[in-house]
Amino acid sequence: SQQGEEDPQALSIQEGENATMNCSYKTSINNLQWYRQNSGRGLVHLILIRSNEREKHSGRLRVTLDTSKKSSSLLITASRAADTASYFCATDAEKLVFGKGTKLTVNP
Amino acid sequence: NAGVMQNPRHLVRRRGQEARLRCSPMKGHSHVYWYRQLPEEGLKFMVYLQKENIIDESGMPKERFSAEFPKEGPSILRIQQVVRGDSAAYFCASSTDRGDEKLFFGSGTQLSVL
Repeated sequence: SQQGEEDPQALSIQEGENATMNCSYKTSINNLQWYRQNSGRGLVHLILIRSNEREKHSGRLRVTLDTSKKSSSLLITASRAADTASYFCATDAEKLVFGKGTKLTVNP
Repeated sequence: NAGVMQNPRHLVRRRGQEARLRCSPMKGHSHVYWYRQLPEEGLKFMVYLQKENIIDESGMPKERFSAEFPKEGPSILRIQQVVRGDSAAYFCASSTDRGDEKLFFGSGTQLSVL
């Protein structure tokens, strides 16, 4: 299985702080994606990083990828209460396989 | 351009009944994926379909579950003779191409089996 595993399982921070979530996976990948899920809703795609990329930015999001360690991190800078959600990484094969997610709570 | 549409949003069934979950992919998308999510869990892949073809059903239980994506109309996930363990949120996603591109998700169908 190429399932990604997120770490930590839960993270609680204050508004304005940065939030870092990690993802580890087991086998070679073509790309890794991060998704966000608000409670009771579907997943929303945040960012895709390809295996030949090391870092990617999108607004307040920064994603890194270390293929030698088979790991990725998602950094959300200057967090807001609206960032409260679960965040999932997904690795590709013929289908995307999701981890269990990190539940982020940003306290006002 | 409407997003991925799933209906119903909530579905209540008694044990032994059939559940039919519908998914209309985004316009122009020909690839559909079904996932199941239990509370506080990640998404578990069930099945991947293209128009009129099942490409990968490795995540779908062998019995009682079936999926289709006809030439016309939405994709259907069908669960026969539902049991309490089938209670979960079922999400559909679509993409323009096969699985290495980003997926667009619907809001899900919450199935409750009494």
